[in-house]
Amino acid sequence: DGGITQSPKYLFRKEGQNVTLSCEQNLNHDAMYWYRQDPGQGLRLIYYSQIVNDFQKGDIAEGYSVSREKKESFPLTVTSAQKNPTAFYLCASSIQGAMNTEAFFGQGTRLTVV
Amino acid sequence: SQQGEEDPQALSIQEGENATMNCSYKTSINNLQWYRQNSGRGLVHLILIRSNEREKHSGRLRVTLDTSKKSSSLLITASRAADTASYFCATAPEAGTALIFGKGTTLSVSS
Repeated sequence: DGGITQSPKYLFRKEGQNVTLSCEQNLNHDAMYWYRQDPGQGLRLIYYSQIVNDFQKGDIAEGYSVSREKKESFPLTVTSAQKNPTAFYLCASSIQGAMNTEAFFGQGTRLTVV
Repeated sequence: SQQGEEDPQALSIQEGENATMNCSYKTSINNLQWYRQNSGRGLVHLILIRSNEREKHSGRLRVTLDTSKKSSSLLITASRAADTASYFCATAPEAGTALIFGKGTTLSVSS
């Protein structure tokens, strides 16, 4: 089945650790996105990528890093510099970066700092 | 920056009633989209309306767009308990390359 897969579904991080969230799509989409969702805050854009080997910062990129070495994959690393990482993280993809079409979302990863 | 702002933040209705949610935004857009999110899940696309369109229908959904007022509304007719979810509007700015989401409206439909 075509779709976008995020893993793991739940992730626990200790203080000072870096963790990487996986996002894979087999929709042959050029553009991929990472959003963070906090209660009452809606979705906020962390990073986006319109093409392989290129990505741009969103509104809340501090403390996060990404890579786009393959069209299918857009992993997000939450670094120790992110002071409040506990949140629900959503990955999305679309055919093109101009957002003329719908975005497809993964099921999310819930990250908790312990 | 969050461009879309939904109103109301929460809405509770009975099955069979209609539900209306509104969205306001700030800058010129290419299109506006509505998404649904069940608790703890990813978002699902419902409908896209382009800046040159005024109204669009899809099943029990009706979306309107008023670019002069920078606002949109989503109407769900004959609501069902299964419509219980959060609904988000998202705008694709003319000069942008990523969707900007509002904070959402939480809809609760009781049977």
